[in-house]
Amino acid sequence: GAVVSQHPSWVICKSGTSVKIECRSLDFQATTMFWYRQFPKQSLMLMATSNEGSKATYEQGVEKDKFLINHASLTLSTLTVTSAHPEDSSFYICSAREAAEKLFFGSGTQLSVL
Amino acid sequence: GENVEQHPSTLSVQEGDSAVIKCTYSDSASNYFPWYKQELGKRPQLIIDIRSNVGEKKDQRIAVTLNKTAKHFSLHITETQPEDSAVYFCAASTGSARQLTFGSGTQLTVLP
Repeated sequence: GAVVSQHPSWVICKSGTSVKIECRSLDFQATTMFWYRQFPKQSLMLMATSNEGSKATYEQGVEKDKFLINHASLTLSTLTVTSAHPEDSSFYICSAREAAEKLFFGSGTQLSVL
Repeated sequence: GENVEQHPSTLSVQEGDSAVIKCTYSDSASNYFPWYKQELGKRPQLIIDIRSNVGEKKDQRIAVTLNKTAKHFSLHITETQPEDSAVYFCAASTGSARQLTFGSGTQLTVLP
């Protein structure tokens, strides 16, 4: 299947700092990427849909000023968690759509905010 | 919006037995239904998918069935092996961006 790369795989930061997570489609172009959040032993919750060259679409309850998404090219989307707090600690995972609706996931980023 | 319900939340089977996981969806416009396998701390891996114009699809020990009228679909794993142990998620594709809505997941444990 297609390869989606996500970095970093884990990050520890102090409360109040910002953290940027990158998601890259390595062998295909993705006009649309998705960002999910996953708590331990729970399902993936869609946070936002990232569209290349336009503003992201956020799901209800997700603060767009808190979770900044940039999709500047057909192979890269970034999620920045601004002014992170302990409650933002979670597993963040991106996905990118290859042709015909197949969705492939990045390896995820475990964020721990102290 | 779309709502996907998945059952059971946990499932234990003996090695060699079959496992069945069921999902229902609410949006009749959904037309793509993938299944993902996620091992602890790793990314979800697509294991099989089905489109609404097909009733059943099989890939070796894995099969998926879809009943559009009843709006439910199921994952069938035959001859289970310990390495099948993982969390399995169903999903339905909907919305203008065809985003996936996931079920709550099933922790499958295959006992040796």
